[in-house]
Order: sequence, then structure tokens, then C-alpha cells
Amino acid sequence: GAVVSQHPSRVICKSGTSVKIECRSLDFQATTMFWYRQFPKQSLMLMATSNEGSKATYEQGVEKDKFLINHASLTLSTLTVTSAHPEDSSFYICSAKGQGQEKLFFGSGTQLSVL
Amino acid sequence: AQSVSQHNHHVILSEAASLELGCNYSYGGTVNLFWYVQYPGQHLQLLLKYFSGDPLVKGIKGFEAEFIKSKFSFNLRKPSVQWSDTAEYFCAVILRGDNFNKFYFGSGTKLNVKP
Repeated sequence: GAVVSQHPSRVICKSGTSVKIECRSLDFQATTMFWYRQFPKQSLMLMATSNEGSKATYEQGVEKDKFLINHASLTLSTLTVTSAHPEDSSFYICSAKGQGQEKLFFGSGTQLSVL
Repeated sequence: AQSVSQHNHHVILSEAASLELGCNYSYGGTVNLFWYVQYPGQHLQLLLKYFSGDPLVKGIKGFEAEFIKSKFSFNLRKPSVQWSDTAEYFCAVILRGDNFNKFYFGSGTKLNVKP
């Protein structure tokens, strides 16, 4: 089956620094990628949807200048948390789907801890 | 080895039939467990989740799931399905370790309910 690789799996950074998370589709062309965050004991919260070559569409309440999403190729999307603060500490997960496909494939998540 | 398994890929039921979808995981440590549903043309929606406490979890729309630790299972059930339950169902697991959290989605079970 299709595989989505997400890196890093865990990152610890200082407050004020930026962190980049990568999401790669390994064996299919991901025309759409989704980024989520998950707070402890909560459900996935959709942050944004990105289509290859287009600007990402952010959900209400998600700061697009803080969470920069790039989806420049059909196999790679990145989420950059800029000027991270402790409240950004969370579990970030990506998912991807191909053209005309409904099925989602998920990365294994990135645990971000901001000190 | 696959961390989350959903053995039923496609299930067809008539209305009022009972439903049980299997979900098994392979990890001996602490887990958080979820069931998500994706209706045609829509994004994921959380049905229910288990973090701790009563292993029988009740969710929305009459769904429930039981965490059986000894069997590494978290099967989803509904006593009487409706046509509107036609959707794809995903089991998800967060494996919690001392130095990592890993998020896994099952491959999904497509449910068709015949009116």
C-alpha cells in the first residue's frame, strides 16, 4: 500500500526557533496533503489543506504566518513552525491523497516540544 | 510488522444489521486508540477515542468500541446500522514510549449499507 513518510519523528527546540517538518509520499503522487495537530487526549485537528503548486488553505484559527506550508512537488510537503513557543508543543501529523482519490494515507507524526 | 491492522477491507450490510469492525495493534506499551469515519466527499470525523479508564467507549451516532488489552484489539461496533453509515472507517493508534510517540492509521474499512 501507499506510504507516507514523515520526519522528524521527534524534535525538541528552544523557544523562538523555527522547525521544519517534512511529509513525503513514497510511492504515489500526492496532489493533496493535509496537516493536523493533536493536543494531548484530543482528536486530530485539521490545520490546513495544501494542493500541489497552490497556496495552502488554512482552517479558521490557524495562523498562516506561523505555520508555513509548502507543497512544491507531488511528493513533498513541508510544515514550518516559525518562532516556536511552548504552546506550539504538540503532535503534528500529515496525510496525503492522490488525484481523484478519496483514500488518505498518514505519516507517523512528529512530536514537537518547545522549551 | 504492521502496527495497526484492519482485517476487513470492505463490508456490505443491510440496514438494521449489526456491525463489528476489527482493529488490532502490535505494541506492548501504552496506546491511545481512535476510530475515525470518512463520509463520501468529506474529511475525517472522530467517532470515539480511548485514553484510559472504562475500556468500553461510547461514541457518536450509536457507535461503541471495546479496548481489550490482552487481545491488542479495539473493535468498533454498532447494533443496527443505517444507510447513512455508509463510509470508510479508520482505526488509529498512538504508540506512546519514553522517547517517542508514533501515530498509525489502519488501512481503512469501507462499509456499504444497503437500504
